[in-house]
Amino acid sequence: AQSVTQLDSHVSVSEGTPVLLRCNYSSSYSPSLFWYVQHPNKGLQLLLKYTSAATLVKGINGFEAEFKKSETSFHLTKPSAHMSDAAEYFCVVSTSGGSYIPTFGRGTSLIVHP
Amino acid sequence: DTGVSQDPRHKITKRGQNVTFRCDPISEHNRLYWYRQTLGQGPEFLTYFQNEAQLEKSRLLSDRFSAERPKGSFSTLEIQRTEQGDSAMYLCASSLLREWNNEQFFGPGTRLTVL
Repeated sequence: AQSVTQLDSHVSVSEGTPVLLRCNYSSSYSPSLFWYVQHPNKGLQLLLKYTSAATLVKGINGFEAEFKKSETSFHLTKPSAHMSDAAEYFCVVSTSGGSYIPTFGRGTSLIVHP
Repeated sequence: DTGVSQDPRHKITKRGQNVTFRCDPISEHNRLYWYRQTLGQGPEFLTYFQNEAQLEKSRLLSDRFSAERPKGSFSTLEIQRTEQGDSAMYLCASSLLREWNNEQFFGPGTRLTVL
């Protein structure tokens, strides 16, 4: 079985300050982990992915995430928020035990204040 | 455009009617997924195909729902006797499964409103 928990339903930051979106996963198998972003009325876009290579993963638009097996976490960070980062973010886990069918978290809404 | 496309983008129907949605995946992708997303929630898995074979269906997929991928290319999702609870965004995604990497590419979705 696999599951993913996004610890915050909403995160509010000021423009120019750091962003931290938290994600914990549960899996009996080595996971692949993804972060997707969904802007209002837009499709889901892949930000970054972890697939058993480097544990620190860099993605698009300055986002990065670190895979920590001991903590079963895959938190998403960005050093400096931009207004255009305001969106819904989804953490996703996929494993061989789950036939590689992805399981999505419930999402974290990132609000960026000017 | 070589991305995933879905048609229609919006569908309004009356309760009890049948609706059909189409998804055209990225051409070389062997996996195709259908998800449902309601407001404030993450996408929920409905079913997936590997080539033309439908390999798994979620418990969410009642017998009013049926999906096909006849030649391993495009897919259709049909909902019979629609209910108001079927109102949601229906998302299609495709991927080329290679070992660890199952990165999915999503279409824009079909928003269904059942009156």
